[in-house]
Amino acid sequence: GENVEQHPSTLSVQEGDSAVIKCTYSDSASNYFPWYKQELGKRPQLIIDIRSNVGEKKDQRIAVTLNKTAKHFSLHITETQPEDSAVYFCAASITGAQKLVFGQGTRLTINP
Amino acid sequence: GAGVSQSPSNKVTEKGKDVELRCDPISGHTALYWYRQSLGQGLEFLIYFQGNSAPDKSGLPSDRFSAERTGGSVSTLTIQRTQQEDSAVYLCASSPDRWAETQYFGPGTRLLVL
Repeated sequence: GENVEQHPSTLSVQEGDSAVIKCTYSDSASNYFPWYKQELGKRPQLIIDIRSNVGEKKDQRIAVTLNKTAKHFSLHITETQPEDSAVYFCAASITGAQKLVFGQGTRLTINP
Repeated sequence: GAGVSQSPSNKVTEKGKDVELRCDPISGHTALYWYRQSLGQGLEFLIYFQGNSAPDKSGLPSDRFSAERTGGSVSTLTIQRTQQEDSAVYLCASSPDRWAETQYFGPGTRLLVL
């Protein structure tokens, strides 16, 4: 079955700098890759997603890139702000195959 | 509109007792998922319901775990004879149908087994 690896497990950056989180997946049939943000004690919230027919997607300060050949995708956050501090999860799935397979999460801390 | 809701928000139980966790999906969503999140870990798939189809139970860790979905809406996850390793946050998610990839999560039930 699908396996998703996420790195780093923790990341600390200065406010205003960029943060990059990377994930790799094992199943070449996976075609949907969402990123969730989870603040302490809160539910995971979808922040951006990408499908396999697209190489990059951007939404304001957040962007995701996908390399299908290498089976990896990355989250990029620019001009980081304190409210970006949270745990971020990547996931992979096959459309119609029901379940998301999650990475282990990255705890991002933005230092003022 | 209202999001996914779960109850209780917290549950403390003694080892060996049974517990029931409830999930109310977003109205009209036919797909419902249960995940488990252990402390500091990612989300682990447990079970999936789609309409009236047989559920995908492939993620249930043991036969002590079961789930039902009545009337295609509310779902209950039951854990029998709870063990300390069952302590985790149990998250429910729903999506409009099996082809709609985005899953919307509930706030979770934090289960502590003493």
